[in-house]
Amino acid sequence: AQSVTQPDIHITVSEGASLELRCNYSYGATPYLFWYVQSPGQGLQLLLKYFSGDTLVQGIKGFEAEFKRSQSSFNLRKPSVHWSDAAEYFCAVGFTGGGNKLTFGTGTQLKVEL
Amino acid sequence: KAGVTQTPRYLIKTRGQQVTLSCSPISGHRSVSWYQQTPGQGLQFLFEYFSETQRNKGNFPGRFSGRQFSNSRSEMNVSTLELGDSALYLCASRAGQAISGANVLTFGAGSRLTVL
Repeated sequence: AQSVTQPDIHITVSEGASLELRCNYSYGATPYLFWYVQSPGQGLQLLLKYFSGDTLVQGIKGFEAEFKRSQSSFNLRKPSVHWSDAAEYFCAVGFTGGGNKLTFGTGTQLKVEL
Repeated sequence: KAGVTQTPRYLIKTRGQQVTLSCSPISGHRSVSWYQQTPGQGLQFLFEYFSETQRNKGNFPGRFSGRQFSNSRSEMNVSTLELGDSALYLCASRAGQAISGANVLTFGAGSRLTVL
């Protein structure tokens, strides 16, 4: 069965600093990979996705992620964090034939210091 | 275009009761899925419906059930509520049955269930 690991439960960065959130997955074939963001009391908003092709994917709000097959990773990056980026971030994996069944990581809570 | 709408947003029940949650997908979306989010277990897949048929099911007891109507709206039901059922229940929809880069899940804001 596939699994997703987000090793950082909490991360604090200063506004304007760069950000990298880690995500490692376990799956035999090439998975579909996603990053979602959740603000308090809200649902999940899709930041970006990887299905195939270019391993560096661009998303909304200035986020990007790079799929590294050799490291089974899909880390999320942003060059300059804004205070409004404070939220919880979830990495998720899906697979061909899995339909809507995504496996989510445990999430990383991002705090932004002004 | 309206997003995924879930009702009610908040509700409180007591142990042993049952609850029904509703989800209206984005117009034109025929695939609806449900997820449970708790602090202890995180986000877990409940089930998926397409064209009124359950296509996929997660590892939850039979107390959790769902259905989809001909207009693609979906409901999920939890019977004999337990304290551990307290959670945020998220509904998500997408247009087609097969997942693809252009056909990804859009989530609603969720229904927050508290079981006392």
